[in-house]
Amino acid sequence: EIVLTQSPGTLSLSPGERATLSCRASQSVSSSYLAWYQQRPGKPLRLLIYGASSRATGIPDRFSGSGSGTDFSLTISRLEPEDFAVYYCQQYGSSPRTFGQGTKVEIK
Amino acid sequence: EVQLVESGGDLVKPGESLRLSCAGSGFSFIHAWMSWVRQAPGKGLEWVGRIQSTGSGEATDYAAPVKGRFTISRDDSKTTLYLQMDSLRIEDTAIYYCAKQGGNPATTGFFDYWGPGTLVTVSS
Repeated sequence: EIVLTQSPGTLSLSPGERATLSCRASQSVSSSYLAWYQQRPGKPLRLLIYGASSRATGIPDRFSGSGSGTDFSLTISRLEPEDFAVYYCQQYGSSPRTFGQGTKVEIK
Repeated sequence: EVQLVESGGDLVKPGESLRLSCAGSGFSFIHAWMSWVRQAPGKGLEWVGRIQSTGSGEATDYAAPVKGRFTISRDDSKTTLYLQMDSLRIEDTAIYYCAKQGGNPATTGFFDYWGPGTLVTVSS
């Protein structure tokens, strides 16, 4: 199975700053079948990005995804207060679908 | 508005069984491919298994840790997804989420909507 490693484990930033989260796969993710999710306390998980770079419906354009092969990233251009959360990447190019261990974006 | 609401979580002993339900609304449930994903306390997400739509034959597949113990089914007339969990183990303790597969589910495997989850605790 494909193992996804996210880094850093925790990112301490201030509102308005730029956040860059990394997701590295143990083998190539076919067709860039990679998604990003946001998890906030008390809220359902929210799909942000699919296909490595396509924003899901209703997702603000401050969220962007990039990458291919084994290296992917999620960028939040200017952090809003509601963006402080845990972010997970997921690959769906091969079975079983697997998730990274998460990156927590916390307020500095 | 798409809604997924899980229920049935409980405290059970190792070896016991439990059935979770997930009621869906606001979308065409009959055409949806649905999955269960779990999250152990303080841990990351783990895909549990999936069921295709009735039109695609309701085929199922499972993650290795639960294969042979868990069974996913659906009742389109009730727009409800189920997870039958047998021979539960301590390591099955987690919040269980149901999730709807997005895009063209035959070719993609991301999840565009999630429920809030239901907690299953396995402890003696």
